[in-house]
Amino acid sequence: QSVLTQPPSASGTPGQRVTISCSGSSSKIGSSTVNWYQQLPGTAPKLLIYSNNQRPSGVPDRFSGSKSGTSASLAISGLQSEDEADYYCAAWDDSLNGWVFGGGTKLTVL
Amino acid sequence: QVQLVQSGAEVKKPGASVKVSCKASGYTFTSYGISWVRQAPGQGLEWMGWINSYNGNTNYAQKLQGRVTMTTDTSTSTAYMELRSLRSDDTAVYYCARWTPGGYIYGFDYWGQGTLVTVSS
Repeated sequence: QSVLTQPPSASGTPGQRVTISCSGSSSKIGSSTVNWYQQLPGTAPKLLIYSNNQRPSGVPDRFSGSKSGTSASLAISGLQSEDEADYYCAAWDDSLNGWVFGGGTKLTVL
Repeated sequence: QVQLVQSGAEVKKPGASVKVSCKASGYTFTSYGISWVRQAPGQGLEWMGWINSYNGNTNYAQKLQGRVTMTTDTSTSTAYMELRSLRSDDTAVYYCARWTPGGYIYGFDYWGQGTLVTVSS
């Protein structure tokens, strides 16, 4: 059972906008920042969003992140077939002096 | 360009140990840390611990305390993760990932390709 809670699945059609949620406690997300990772099938995870809403160089602006209180969200607009992947949220936990991950959300592009 | 290249797949018997390497290139090794994350078959990501490549400080996930050791060799820019007393539920792909000490907000910005460790009798 993961410390951060994500829906196990999400879906959308090409061109649509989808959001994936990530919720935790005040000691986790509430007092930290959230990062999002994309894992394409059979590959290593890739950093998609850091510090709640910042995109690393090379990540399309179709991907955006937000955080409010103890919840965070990843939004993907203009959904494309190549966005079909697993998405994970993660946050720093001061009490662990380390990171906690969400259980992951499998995004299907219909 | 930044690269993290991990050692190859391993098959181990229960009770044995495994040591996975992660060779870094394209950046100043001691300016960043390395974290290890594993993923059991069909499961999510699990953070295992981190090492600060500058001073060797480490912190491990509580469930792995006593079984895991993370080290670095700054002369070769290589990080190592050793896991002892292997059990079947340690079967997973093990990833190394770069992070910025004191800058957790930046997350894991580069990842190795992963190393499959299979524990089976």
